[in-house]
Amino acid sequence: GQNIDQPTEMTATEGAIVQINCTYQTSGFNGLFWYQQHAGEAPTFLSYNVLDGLEEKGRFSSFLSRSKGYSYLLLKELQMKDSASYLCAGMDSNYQLIWGAGTKLIIKP
Amino acid sequence: GAVVSQHPSRVICKSGTSVKIECRSLDFQATTMFWYRQFPKQSLMLMATSNEGSKATYEQGVEKDKFLINHASLTLSTLTVTSAHPEDSSFYICSARGTGETEAFFGQGTRLTVV
Repeated sequence: GQNIDQPTEMTATEGAIVQINCTYQTSGFNGLFWYQQHAGEAPTFLSYNVLDGLEEKGRFSSFLSRSKGYSYLLLKELQMKDSASYLCAGMDSNYQLIWGAGTKLIIKP
Repeated sequence: GAVVSQHPSRVICKSGTSVKIECRSLDFQATTMFWYRQFPKQSLMLMATSNEGSKATYEQGVEKDKFLINHASLTLSTLTVTSAHPEDSSFYICSARGTGETEAFFGQGTRLTVV
């Protein structure tokens, strides 16, 4: 079956770094997405990885290892506004997104 | 990025009535649109996938006669919740994807409350 696993909740301190892990099993693979979702709002796109390696975009970076079925989202210089849920989603061979349950990130001062 | 507009953002309706939610791609042609439902503190649940000009493909367990989806043009898809009940209260989100694209762009979501 298809499955996305990510931690339910994480806590970090303002100004610090946090890494949110995601493991995936999909029928075929056409990439791995990370989205940010604030409470009561729709998800917003953060990153897309289809090749192995690290993609850096400002304070956010995303890593993919296809052989391990593993990805992580790295957030640096954490700000209070980064408190949100972070959704990992794998795209299968039919270009359908398989969603994880999301990781709620709590930032403390 | 591309813009997807979803309307209304919030709606309260009486039990037994129908509610229509619109999803528009403003600056690209959306050949595929996805409709999701999200309960509090849960992930997105795909309800159906629609391709312009053809019937929507519903996920298992989603009643096609209750959740009517129309994707009549490359910029507009609608979801109609018919004979709404309180258990239909949820956050409904659409996303749209252009031809040959992998990324889908999300609308703002619609908070439906059935009283």
